[in-house]
This record gives sequence, structure tokens and C-alpha cells, in this order.
Amino acid sequence: AAGVIQSPRHLIKEKRETATLKCYPIPRHDTVYWYQQGPGQDPQFLISFYEKMQSDKGSIPDRFSAQQFSDYHSELNMSSLELGDSALYFCASSPRRGSTDTQYFGPGTRLTVL
Amino acid sequence: GESVGLHLPTLSVQEGDNSIINCAYSNSASDYFIWYKQESGKGPQFIIDIRSNMDKRQGQRVTVLLNKTVKHLSLQIAATQPGDSAVYFCAENGSGGGADGLTFGKGTHLIIQP
Repeated sequence: AAGVIQSPRHLIKEKRETATLKCYPIPRHDTVYWYQQGPGQDPQFLISFYEKMQSDKGSIPDRFSAQQFSDYHSELNMSSLELGDSALYFCASSPRRGSTDTQYFGPGTRLTVL
Repeated sequence: GESVGLHLPTLSVQEGDNSIINCAYSNSASDYFIWYKQESGKGPQFIIDIRSNMDKRQGQRVTVLLNKTVKHLSLQIAATQPGDSAVYFCAENGSGGGADGLTFGKGTHLIIQP
């Protein structure tokens, strides 16, 4: 079965640079979520989108922004990168907007900020 | 603030034994709970979920129990296998509706001993 696709899988950036992470949800899933997971930490919810509109917002820094496009893929844009932004970034998708719909996670993008 | 947490960071069991991983949550309004398995460097993998109108749900070799009175969730894995070694997270999705982000617990590292 098709899964969530994330790109790139690994990314190395310098401090103060920008980064863009991409997420392609499971086919026919219209809701995407972004999470950040620091080393040894649990995933922290950042933001979610349903039908190209922001749906829920978590602990996303003001330096980050995200959007969902007409084909339902999503991009997380990160600016003025800091060392503390080094983490795994996961995208998840669900089949429809709803609090009880299972979220399926992608393999993640490992961001390293030097 | 409200959160989902786990009692033990590490659980070591013998291969073939049953494993029980516990989770406490504090949001009494939570109506949906999920267990995820995460192997090193990979995304969380859905195991089983349960809604608040149930107290038990069974899958293949796994059972989730929900005790709403004491706000406790557990995952039972029968006949543990080496492939079960991973970090297990419980997560909850509040009753706010919409594409809510998940709140994860701190994770339990399950170690299978031969």
C-alpha cells in the first residue's frame, strides 16, 4: 500500500539558512499534519491542513510556515534556522478531517543544522 | 498543561513473554487514543486505536485497554518477538474536532531479551 512520502530524507543546513520540507500524503488523504521530534523526545505537533486550509496549530515557531497545495501535498518552510531546529520532521496524513481519524506517518526528514 | 505520559521509560522482557506498556493521560475530554511503534530512525507506525466509548480492543497479538475512570491506557503484546523491539508511544486526540494534532506521551523503549 502507498505510504506518506517525504523529501528530502536528510538535509544539512547552516545556521540562519532556510529549508523546505515536502510531504506527499497517502492517495485520497486530504489532511496533513507536521510534527517535530528532537533526539530522545516524543513527536511534537506543529501544524495541520485540511483542504488547503490551516486546521490546527501547535508549537510551530514563527520562523516556520507551511501550506497545502491543490494536489494535497504540503511544504514546511523553515527560515533563520537555529541549532535547536535539528530534529526529525514527520508528516502524517489522514483520510478526512476529523478528530478520530488515524494519522499515518511518513519516514521523516532528518534536519541537521550546523 | 494537559499531557499524555508514560510510567516507565524502558521495559525489558524475555522473548515469548507478554508485554504490558502503560500510559496515563490527563485530558478527560480525550475521545480517541492511539498506540504507535517507532523503530530507530523511522516514522511512528500505527498499531491499534481505541475510542472513548470502548474499554478494550484487540488486534493481532495486541490488545489495548482503556480505563476512563483513572485515565489510564495500556498496550498488551502477546508472545513478544524480537521484531517488537522499539519505542512505543501512546497518543491522544482531543475532542475538539477537525484535524487536531496528536499529543504524544514520552515513549517506552521495549527491549526483547533472547
